[in-house]
Amino acid sequence: NAGVTQTPKFRILKIGQSMTLQCAQDMNHNYMYWYRQDPGMGLKLIYYSVGAGITDKGEVPNGYNVSRSTTEDFPLRLELAAPSQTSVYFCASRPGLAGGSDTQYFGPGTRLTVL
Amino acid sequence: AQTVTQSQPEMSVQEAETVTLSCTYDTSESDYYLFWYKQPPSRQMILVIRQEAYKQQNATENRFSVNFQKAAKSFSLKISDSQLGDAAMYFCAHKGKGGGADGLTFGKGTHLIIQP
Repeated sequence: NAGVTQTPKFRILKIGQSMTLQCAQDMNHNYMYWYRQDPGMGLKLIYYSVGAGITDKGEVPNGYNVSRSTTEDFPLRLELAAPSQTSVYFCASRPGLAGGSDTQYFGPGTRLTVL
Repeated sequence: AQTVTQSQPEMSVQEAETVTLSCTYDTSESDYYLFWYKQPPSRQMILVIRQEAYKQQNATENRFSVNFQKAAKSFSLKISDSQLGDAAMYFCAHKGKGGGADGLTFGKGTHLIIQP
């Protein structure tokens, strides 16, 4: 299993541009998450999904959109990029089954810079 | 809302010695999960250890163990026989079992330096 994969690894955007961060997992996990990590800080939850077709906001959702059309994929869309969105973005997943582990498995992260 | 506080921005320890990283949290729930994650310079988030609040026994994983004090809302990580490969950022995290947004609440992290 590849686990949780994220693309791209690095990206530089200009203010006002848009992009999609890709996340995929091959563990058949129901739950998927997007976090951002600002310098010197812990991770903060942006959006999460409990299954295909179901998404919900986390702590810092403004400026982002998500969709979950399949169990495997959970892309994060940035519209009108702003310097405040410069961060490292992590995708994570967990099984989410009754009695299953609450442990989240993380992807390698995407470093995004908005200039 | 839950909060997680790590009061030590940086800790330093000699190789082969023992170090303890502190974490306190605030929650109104009686049942929840607590985690310690390690983040080396590669940025990968690696699970170190996990504790379920209803279990009174402290979790252990080889050289890593926790001191879970539920009444004090404290969850410290002890690393025994420190190794150079333990050098990393360590994040304490909480996950509730009740309603509200699913996901982990993280502290700001502790940078662990291992002196050879």
